Amino acid sequence: GAGVSQSPSNKVTEKGKDVELRCDPISGHTALYWYRQRLGQGLEFLIYFQGNSAPDKSGLPSDRFSAERTGESVSTLTIQRTQQEDSAVYLCASSPGTGFDEQYFGPGTRLTVT
Amino acid sequence: GDSVTQMEGPVTLSEEAFLTINCTYTATGYPSLFWYVQYPGEGLQLLLKATKADDKGSNKGFEATYRKETTSFHLEKGSVQVSDSAVYFCALPASGGSYIPTFGRGTSLIVHP
Repeated sequence: GAGVSQSPSNKVTEKGKDVELRCDPISGHTALYWYRQRLGQGLEFLIYFQGNSAPDKSGLPSDRFSAERTGESVSTLTIQRTQQEDSAVYLCASSPGTGFDEQYFGPGTRLTVT
Repeated sequence: GDSVTQMEGPVTLSEEAFLTINCTYTATGYPSLFWYVQYPGEGLQLLLKATKADDKGSNKGFEATYRKETTSFHLEKGSVQVSDSAVYFCALPASGGSYIPTFGRGTSLIVHP
């Protein structure tokens, strides 16, 4: 079946512009995570959605970052007034239940802020 | 809280060499344990897992045994290939009141022909 998809695959933007990243989870997966991966680094948790519950936003690095998810479908991560330190790969993952399960990752969006 | 410690990389090997990537963890109880692999330009994908003590997870020639006495889950492969070049992440699932999994920092493997 279809895996997790993300778009765009690459995004180059100028400092100060807003960007929107999209994630399509696997159908039926109730949990959805966003991570940031800087070059050569590990995963940095950003935000977690579980069904219709309030999201866990504890990993968002600043108020320039926000994310939405409608029910158990698509999620968008928005970064306002981008800065050069926002340059990274943004990974989305979904899982059938909570984080107790294995995660299924998308290919990521590579964001470059010039 | 939970934590995962992986050996520093990069690990550089010649083709057909033996591979070990060490992983130790700190967690409450006896959680499942995972190894994920990230090939260049891709997202992470599950490589193998073990759900209880003494279980051995295996896939694509890789193996890892859940050792509760040493709280370790070392990844091994008897004969690596160039195509195994990737970053490998050891991970714990969420536990307790948190729904956030714990990932190690990743170990880069470079295999030369």
